[in-house]
Amino acid sequence: QLLESGGDLVQPGRSLRLSCVASGFIFDTYTMSWVRQNPAKGLEWVAVIDNYGDIRYHADSVKDRFSISRDNSKNTLYLQMNSLRVEDTALYYCVQVLNGNFHFWGQGTLVTVSS
Amino acid sequence: EVVLTQSPGTMSLSPGERVTLSCRGSQTLDTRYVAWYQQKPGRAPRLLIYGTSNRATGISGRFSGSGSGTDFTLTISRLESEDFAIYYCQHFGRDNSPRYSFGQGTRLEMK
Repeated sequence: QLLESGGDLVQPGRSLRLSCVASGFIFDTYTMSWVRQNPAKGLEWVAVIDNYGDIRYHADSVKDRFSISRDNSKNTLYLQMNSLRVEDTALYYCVQVLNGNFHFWGQGTLVTVSS
Repeated sequence: EVVLTQSPGTMSLSPGERVTLSCRGSQTLDTRYVAWYQQKPGRAPRLLIYGTSNRATGISGRFSGSGSGTDFTLTISRLESEDFAIYYCQHFGRDNSPRYSFGQGTRLEMK
């Protein structure tokens, strides 16, 4: 199970941190990712992190503003989002990654950026 | 960056029909990393097919995937009422960094 939290209504330019608590599998053996979805852009990959937390990549649209991290001792994945923009409005999913595909998805947490 | 184009955007079908959904890449896709997902209203996407033709755990044998090069398909052999949903294709590639691309989706609606 993947349980996201932290979504909220925030003003442009503000920050937010999303969390995802994992259970039911050995968290520290899986690459994890954040994927977002909104009606305008559809599904969009945001960031990925390897099982150790050493290797991280971010989509160009969020690079230098968002940062993915994990705490394996807490079975938790994070997404720190800074300098939020209206176009970051979306449902953010925490996803288990295997061989380049998204094998298991949480139910999502809604981020709304609006003044 | 690879762009995935799914066609058609919407299909109106009846239960029991066979349907084939298309996903075309803007360049050759790696068959190891082509996947299909199903999404129902208010729900997260669910993995159906990975590696072009491998069914994910618990997925009905009515679903099958195939393809090579730039053209990939998802086939549902006999539509059931629970199959009416949106279907997305996805590809993983690498240049200097990982690239995950999604198609825009095909909606199956009941006629």
